[in-house]
Amino acid sequence: NAGVMQNPRHLVRRRGQEARLRCSPMKGHSHVYWYRQLPEEGLKFMVYLQKENIIDESGMPKERFSAEFPKEGPSILRIQQVVRGDSAAYFCASSLSTRTNTDTQYFGPGTRLTVL
Amino acid sequence: GESVGLHLPTLSVQEGDNSIINCAYSNSASDYFIWYKQESGKGPQFIIDIRSNMDKRQGQRVTVLLNKTVKHLSLQIAATQPGDSAVYFCAENISGNQFYFGTGTSLTVIP
Repeated sequence: NAGVMQNPRHLVRRRGQEARLRCSPMKGHSHVYWYRQLPEEGLKFMVYLQKENIIDESGMPKERFSAEFPKEGPSILRIQQVVRGDSAAYFCASSLSTRTNTDTQYFGPGTRLTVL
Repeated sequence: GESVGLHLPTLSVQEGDNSIINCAYSNSASDYFIWYKQESGKGPQFIIDIRSNMDKRQGQRVTVLLNKTVKHLSLQIAATQPGDSAVYFCAENISGNQFYFGTGTSLTVIP
């Protein structure tokens, strides 16, 4: 019973390049969340998606960042024209449903992005 | 600023002792809370949760206490082991599926 999968685990980009981070939710989960974590800080919510829909992107910068969760395949967090300040760990979480409106989120191992 | 915060950023305990990690939240409308454990280089791992209609919940060696009057949450770990060394986060859910995380408490278990 595989958990949340993220790849790559480590990603190095030069300033101005694009970064693509992938997340495969737990089997049966249709809700995906992306968080950013700076060293020695807590997790900052970025975006919440369901299949083919962005539900809440209030935590995601308006420029350069985008996210998708297509009908088939993993969720993608895309950062265009990366800058050094984008260096962080990016975590994906998934949940089963929102029937109760507060379903537990299970996290992946994260992608550590380093911008040179 | 963060609506969720922790009283102590670091905590050191002797192996075998009990650990208590505290968390304060500011939004009285929060109705669901989760404690996560994060080991170095890994993603947060669910430990235990509690809903606002409860004031205590127990798991294996862990207990979460919720005091809604003073908006305080605590995680108690019994008989702390070296493998418990990690950063512990409390997460607060106000509505929908967005959680607010505190900055975390680093627990170090001294053998």
